[in-house]
Amino acid sequence: GESVGLHLPTLSVQEGDNSIINCAYSNSASDYFIWYKQESGKGPQFIIDIRSNMDKRQGQRVTVLLNKTVKHLSLQIAATQPGDSAVYFCAEIVSYDKVIFGPGTSLSVIP
Amino acid sequence: DTEVTQTPKHLVMGMTNKKSLKCEQHMGHRAMYWYKQKAKKPPELMFVYSYEKLSINESVPSRFSPECPNSSLLNLHLHALQPEDSALYLCASSRGQVYGYTFGSGTRLTVV
Repeated sequence: GESVGLHLPTLSVQEGDNSIINCAYSNSASDYFIWYKQESGKGPQFIIDIRSNMDKRQGQRVTVLLNKTVKHLSLQIAATQPGDSAVYFCAEIVSYDKVIFGPGTSLSVIP
Repeated sequence: DTEVTQTPKHLVMGMTNKKSLKCEQHMGHRAMYWYKQKAKKPPELMFVYSYEKLSINESVPSRFSPECPNSSLLNLHLHALQPEDSALYLCASSRGQVYGYTFGSGTRLTVV
């Protein structure tokens, strides 16, 4: 069946280091992917998205990479800060209006 | 206004109670969604409304009943819930498929 998964359920990084969060997806027909950040007690917050006709997209301190050959998605956070501590979900648009979320990675930033 | 507002933030209800969750957005988004999220799990889609019409029901039990009174409001009516229905219920809205969602902060529901 369709699934979106993450390689690492938890990730701890030192403040100032770069973070890389990975995601594997199985639906090769999906053409749009989103990364969300969810802090404790809050709803998911849009971070960055990428379409399947792109390999890389950059935002402020974040970069998303898409490798369609191996169906792999990653989120890179530069100069990780304590405020980046949260659960990060990759999400895949599988059909009109239907989004499937991956299992999530908990990022902890060590001061 | 760029927010999705959900009320109440917390709700405790008995298994014989009837309650409603409310969601509101004033961004002109044409699609609204209900998600259920258990602890340490990703959000799971329940219902999708597109242009005020129910377009997706992910085989949700009938004890959950959605309603979209107008393009800005979305309700979730709850009746005869089970303790396993305790979860964070998230509402989201979107301009369309490729624009991502804006989520509310959720209603933390506890069924006793």
